[in-house]
Amino acid sequence: GEDVEQSLFLSVREGDSSVINCTYTDSSSTYLYWYKQEPGAGLQLLTYIFSNMDMKQDQRLTVLLNKKDKHLSLRIADTQTGDSAIYFCAEDTGGFKTIFGAGTRLFVKA
Amino acid sequence: EAGVAQSPRYKIIEKRQSVAFWCNPISGHATLYWYQQILGQGPKLLIQFQNNGVVDDSQLPKDRFSAERLKGVDSTLKIQPAKLEDSAVYLCASSLDVEGTEAFFGQGTRLTVV
Repeated sequence: GEDVEQSLFLSVREGDSSVINCTYTDSSSTYLYWYKQEPGAGLQLLTYIFSNMDMKQDQRLTVLLNKKDKHLSLRIADTQTGDSAIYFCAEDTGGFKTIFGAGTRLFVKA
Repeated sequence: EAGVAQSPRYKIIEKRQSVAFWCNPISGHATLYWYQQILGQGPKLLIQFQNNGVVDDSQLPKDRFSAERLKGVDSTLKIQPAKLEDSAVYLCASSLDVEGTEAFFGQGTRLTVV
């Protein structure tokens, strides 16, 4: 069935790079997304990548897609304390349906 | 640009009671979603509307949950009667196009069923 898996926690020091990983199961996904959720807030779309791309860069964010291994990663360069949040990986499985992972909680230590 | 508005922010009810949540999407957004986010999990799609028609409600527990989007703008989600396992954050989102490449989320309604 459709499933998106992520590690639950990641802790980094301020200024270091963070890499959040995700695996998905539906090879027919057209879009893959990264969302950010801060405490008490809704989800904010950070970036997305089309399935025919293998990399996308947007300022401090780099998304890498390995379609063969169904692996998606989000790299945050120069991580700041304001980046502390839960990051959700999601895939668009077609039929207008988006499946979310359980989220990775990023802790940034000053 | 105003974001997706949801109310109430918090609700505490006893099991077997009824509850309703309201969502006002971003103006002009044709697609509206309701998600259920249980603590420690990712959001799960309950229902998706395109204008005032239902696109997908396959994961909506229809024996107790209902949703409507009259006039293709605001939407309400109702639970009747509530169970303990319905305790979650209910998120509303909207997007301009059907494929949802840019979905904007509201702050959610945190429901606690006791």
